[in-house]
Amino acid sequence: GESVGLHLPTLSVQEGDNSIINCAYSNSASDYFIWYKQESGKGPQFIIDIRSNMDKRQGQRVTVLLNKTVKHLSLQIAATQPGDSAVYFCAENNYGQNFVFGPGTRLSVLP
Amino acid sequence: DVKVTQSSRYLVKRTGEKVFLECVQDMDHENMFWYRQDPGLGLRLIYFSYDVKMKEKGDIPEGYSVSREKKERFSLILESASTNQTSMYLCASKTGTGIYNEQFFGPGTRLTVL
Repeated sequence: GESVGLHLPTLSVQEGDNSIINCAYSNSASDYFIWYKQESGKGPQFIIDIRSNMDKRQGQRVTVLLNKTVKHLSLQIAATQPGDSAVYFCAENNYGQNFVFGPGTRLSVLP
Repeated sequence: DVKVTQSSRYLVKRTGEKVFLECVQDMDHENMFWYRQDPGLGLRLIYFSYDVKMKEKGDIPEGYSVSREKKERFSLILESASTNQTSMYLCASKTGTGIYNEQFFGPGTRLTVL
């Protein structure tokens, strides 16, 4: 179904703290997941991906956790910086079919 | 460096006008996509294409058409623009090789229909 909400959930964190952004995905058969970052006025940028045969993947300052039991994905950002302020959204994919995108969470980093 | 470009960043049109949004990718990708993005909603797929001259309807194709005459170019057409088509339009491309591949997005075109 389609989200009806007109405003984005917002997460505010203090600079230097860790951020955790959550995503509930819809299809238990999805086998590939991506987190995107979208800064104001720009297109989405790839951050990190994970396949369904993994439950954790780490990048530079970012970690993605996958819990298939409850269809939940999270993005952890360590030592959040002002440049991390953006909208973050997850995308799920089922064996090469089209991606389905979450509505996103706005991350605000407070000085 | 991977690049998806869109012809306009901002566009203002009047109701009833025909609108063309152009997207070009330089990665030799087989797959190209057009989405619209509205506040509080996830990206919604309008149309996609797996090959030249091939097109498939996405989730919200009504009021739109597309053209893919060359591999690198995918155009979105609003036959008769309406105010409810005011939105951010995002183009993306993806390689057709393998299934675990990201989509690369363009910078977006913010269209306002008056």
